[in-house]
Amino acid sequence: ILNVEQSPQSLHVQEGDSTNFTCSFPSSNFYALHWYRWETAKSPEALFVMTLNGDEKKKGRISATLNTKEGYSYLYIKGSQPEDSATYLCAFPSNDYKLSFGAGTTVTVRA
Amino acid sequence: DAGVIQSPRHEVTEMGQEVTLRCKPISGHNSLFWYRQTMMRGLELLIYFNNNVPIDDSGMPEDRFSAKMPNASFSTLKIQPSEPRDSAVYFCASRLTSGVYTGELFFGEGSRLTVL
Repeated sequence: ILNVEQSPQSLHVQEGDSTNFTCSFPSSNFYALHWYRWETAKSPEALFVMTLNGDEKKKGRISATLNTKEGYSYLYIKGSQPEDSATYLCAFPSNDYKLSFGAGTTVTVRA
Repeated sequence: DAGVIQSPRHEVTEMGQEVTLRCKPISGHNSLFWYRQTMMRGLELLIYFNNNVPIDDSGMPEDRFSAKMPNASFSTLKIQPSEPRDSAVYFCASRLTSGVYTGELFFGEGSRLTVL
């Protein structure tokens, strides 16, 4: 089982504020890093799949960066809105292509 | 496309009963995953299939759990006999291609199992 760690476990953000959180993964045998968004009472949906060191992906107000050498990725939410409230999961594929998920960071945006 | 379809959405059963969860992956997807969500372990991979063949079932908790994929459009996860500690939400997910690290997973809405 691959050790994918996310921090913090949860955070509360005031509407309009920006925030970020971390996913740490084994830096050896890197293949890709996935981010998923999981809203309450729904199922996880893919946000980004990242493969290149230094890569940055963006979707609306959400963006992610990747450092494969040190084994971490940051997810940023700019100008948080209540609809950004969700659990954000990162996932790391092993050499047999299965995806292991971190425990997630639960973001609550207060109006 | 209808997405990944799971049934039942909710199941309440008594300890010792057999439970069968069903999944229909997105048409054309070659990989299928079964995950279990619990408070303690988050999203835990139970088993995954490539082209209907089980590749890794090391996450299956014990012999009470079994999974099959008789064809490309259907998979089952069976628990027999069920125990209260099996209570969780079980997710099925499919992926377009096997043998890639970048293929994103598409999840079903989950089956919430409660074993009394």
